[in-house]
Amino acid sequence: GAGVSQSPSNKVTEKGKDVELRCDPISGHTALYWYRQSLGQGLEFLIYFQGNSAPDKSGLPSDRFSAERTGGSVSTLTIQRTQQEDSAVYLCASSKQGRQPQHFGDGTRLSIL
Amino acid sequence: GQQVMQIPQYQHVQEGEDFTTYCNSSTTLSNIQWYKQRPGGHPVFLIQLVKSGEVKKQKRLTFQFGEAKKNSSLHITATQTTDVGTYFCADSGAGSYQLTFGKGTKLSVIP
Repeated sequence: GAGVSQSPSNKVTEKGKDVELRCDPISGHTALYWYRQSLGQGLEFLIYFQGNSAPDKSGLPSDRFSAERTGGSVSTLTIQRTQQEDSAVYLCASSKQGRQPQHFGDGTRLSIL
Repeated sequence: GQQVMQIPQYQHVQEGEDFTTYCNSSTTLSNIQWYKQRPGGHPVFLIQLVKSGEVKKQKRLTFQFGEAKKNSSLHITATQTTDVGTYFCADSGAGSYQLTFGKGTKLSVIP
């Protein structure tokens, strides 16, 4: 079946612009996660959605970052007023429920000029 | 917050040699998951360990969860070039759904 889909696969933008990254999870998966991975580094947790519950936003690095999940399915991660340190690969993952194995998308490679 | 330490950071082995990566925490681990990320790829789930002392095998890969649930390990027997990649451990901690990842061990296999 279809896996986790992320778009765009690459995004190059100028410092100060806003960007939106999209994640389409596996159908039926109630849990959705966003991570950030800098070059050669580990995965940094950003935000977690579980069904209709309030999201766990504890990993968002600043108030320039926000995310929403509409209808319990597609999620959008928005970064406002981008900075060069925001350059990274943004990975989305979904799982049937929280604490279960996560299935990752291919990520969006974000480059801030 | 919870911290998961992973060692070594890098490992270079000759093809056919064994490889082990270790995952440690000062707090009790509750739900260890191991992932593999090939160069240029995304993390792929390998295994989940939840019981103290648990040992699971997948062909040449052996996963262990320590008796005290403070550490876990992944051992690969007779490495092959297809084993190249970064291996991550991750734990969600008791009562949490947030996975905390170790920094990973990058494995290079010399043919």
